[in-house]
Amino acid sequence: EVQLLESGGGLVQPGGSLRLSCAASGFTFSIYSMSWVRQAPGKGLEWVSTIGGGAGNTYYADSVKGRFTISRDTSKNTLYLQMNSLRAEDTAVYYCAKDQQLAYWGQGTLVTVSS
Amino acid sequence: DVVMTQSPLSLPVTLGQPASISCRSSQSLVYSDGKTYLSWFQQRPGQSPRRLIYKVSNRDSGVPDRFSGSGSGTDFTLKISRVEAEDVGVYYCMQTTHWPLTFGGGTKVEIK
Repeated sequence: EVQLLESGGGLVQPGGSLRLSCAASGFTFSIYSMSWVRQAPGKGLEWVSTIGGGAGNTYYADSVKGRFTISRDTSKNTLYLQMNSLRAEDTAVYYCAKDQQLAYWGQGTLVTVSS
Repeated sequence: DVVMTQSPLSLPVTLGQPASISCRSSQSLVYSDGKTYLSWFQQRPGQSPRRLIYKVSNRDSGVPDRFSGSGSGTDFTLKISRVEAEDVGVYYCMQTTHWPLTFGGGTKVEIK
């Protein structure tokens, strides 16, 4: 059974940093691409970033390019999202999802950017 | 960027009646491999999104057969043949043919 468990969310001041983690199980993590998607309070879904399987090409939404970095540790079956220079508009629930087609989703972790 | 436009925004439905959601893309979603990467997601209140349909018309495992997807090119539809109470929530289409990946704005399905 595929399981994705996000962690690392919390309250951070504008300009601050946070690193999200997503622990994956139930599939061969190393060969699949993985994605992050976010949802601001009361709003729709917004794709954030994807990392390819294998060599791991990375892709970012324009809204986070240059501030967020997606990475993975295949020895730990864990996906990461390093978020720097955070802004109020980054406040959202962040979901990790399996592959580029978002076949499975985690339960999400809430990031609140506020002073 | 590919813009995904869903309609209607809100869809009140009577239990047992059919429902239909439209999704239009600003450009063709046919990839160079000939496949069309259009998916549908359901988000029930207070829950994470769940994929229902991938590549236009393929149902995910465990998805009831009352859900069906159709369409081609830039015009797609999600149909629920007979709405049940558990179908209440917001439905999103999404394209994964072109970068950046983009979602539709969502359609809220509620019971009349």
